[in-house]
Amino acid sequence: DAGITQSPRHKVTETGTPVTLRCHQTENHRYMYWYRQDPGHGLRLIHYSYGVKDTDKGEVSDGYSVSRSKTEDFLLTLESATSSQTSVYFCAISEAGGRSDTQYFGPGTRLTVL
Amino acid sequence: QKEVEQNSGPLSVPEGAIASLNCTYSDRGSQSFFWYRQYSGKSPELIMFIYSNGDKEDGRFTAQLNKASQYVSLLIRDSQPSDSATYLCAVRTGNNRKLIWGLGTSLAVNP
Repeated sequence: DAGITQSPRHKVTETGTPVTLRCHQTENHRYMYWYRQDPGHGLRLIHYSYGVKDTDKGEVSDGYSVSRSKTEDFLLTLESATSSQTSVYFCAISEAGGRSDTQYFGPGTRLTVL
Repeated sequence: QKEVEQNSGPLSVPEGAIASLNCTYSDRGSQSFFWYRQYSGKSPELIMFIYSNGDKEDGRFTAQLNKASQYVSLLIRDSQPSDSATYLCAVRTGNNRKLIWGLGTSLAVNP
């Protein structure tokens, strides 16, 4: 998994509770991404980061926030989880530059919101 | 709206055959094209990328890009049961870091 870990790997929580997912990389890559994957929707970008403290929204950012205080860590927070946020969440990383810049994925976190 | 389309399948081929997976995209400004494989319950893993028209080969895999017709394909030669997975096509447009993803094609290789 290209030196990418995600924690927790599985989580069950209740509606209305805050949840934070962590992505940690050892590759020193500049770019980090959070995706969710749902049947019928494929991979959808939630937020991404292009450097420490530099983040931007993806296509499904409502209800999510992110932070990146160190190059190696990218946190995804659900401020008040809803059942529609039940999904598999993937973190990805990439180096900057070039047409061949490739995203590498972490193992994923399966989140269930009851 | 920029789109990437794939036939959802399932595509079923016998062991040893060539599997052909196709992907079309809507944005003519697209520059880089990626194929990922995803086993059930696992994360996507990169197979190969291509950005020039023509063919690119890597082992049993060949990616083919035709920008005029706006499609990219993946050929898997000598298909093995271990190739059974969902294959995702992703496209990068311009200088944007973001990838646009297809929904994937499910491939089943039968022994």
